[in-house]
Amino acid sequence: GAVVSQHPSRVICKSGTSVKIECRSLDFQATTMFWYRQFPKQSLMLMATSNEGSKATYEQGVEKDKFLINHASLTLSTLTVTSAHPEDSSFYICSARDEEVGYTGELFFGEGSRLTVL
Amino acid sequence: AQSVAQPEDQVNVAEGNPLTVKCTYSVSGNPYLFWYVQYPNRGLQFLLKYITGDNLVKGSYGFEAEFNKSQTSFHLKKPSALVSDSALYFCAVRDIGSNTDKLIFGTGTRLQVFP
Repeated sequence: GAVVSQHPSRVICKSGTSVKIECRSLDFQATTMFWYRQFPKQSLMLMATSNEGSKATYEQGVEKDKFLINHASLTLSTLTVTSAHPEDSSFYICSARDEEVGYTGELFFGEGSRLTVL
Repeated sequence: AQSVAQPEDQVNVAEGNPLTVKCTYSVSGNPYLFWYVQYPNRGLQFLLKYITGDNLVKGSYGFEAEFNKSQTSFHLKKPSALVSDSALYFCAVRDIGSNTDKLIFGTGTRLQVFP
């Protein structure tokens, strides 16, 4: 199956700094990628839909200035957590769909990035 | 609004016994339904999906799921559980009537298979 690579897998940062997480589709093109956040022992919460070449679509309640998303190419989307605070500590997961498979295709997920803000 | 419900937080089963992880859905149109598995500190792995056609869907690792429109359910099953099946399982739905790519997840069910 298609592979989605996410980096870094773990990051620890000081409060107030910004952290960038990358999501790459390795063997397919992805016009659309999705960013999820997962709290401990909870489900995945969709944060935003990343659209190649245009602005991301954020879910209700997600601060777009806090979580900056850039989708500059068909294989790369980045999530930047700006001025991170301890409450931003979480497991962030990206996903993408193989455009060639079409709308019925399943999403492929990255391995996730665990962010810890001190 | 589209949603899925996983009524059980945890399911315990002995190795070799059959397992069932429950999922019910609610959509305005026809659903695309998915099951994913997550191991600790990992991303999600696709198990199987229902788009159309045969109500019994077979997927990875010996798992299968049955789409039941009248009961709006899509329960995940396996005839004989393995200890290595212990993980967190998510049901998800995409509402094709909403013309969106969004995948909405259930709250997850932790499967524990005991030796």
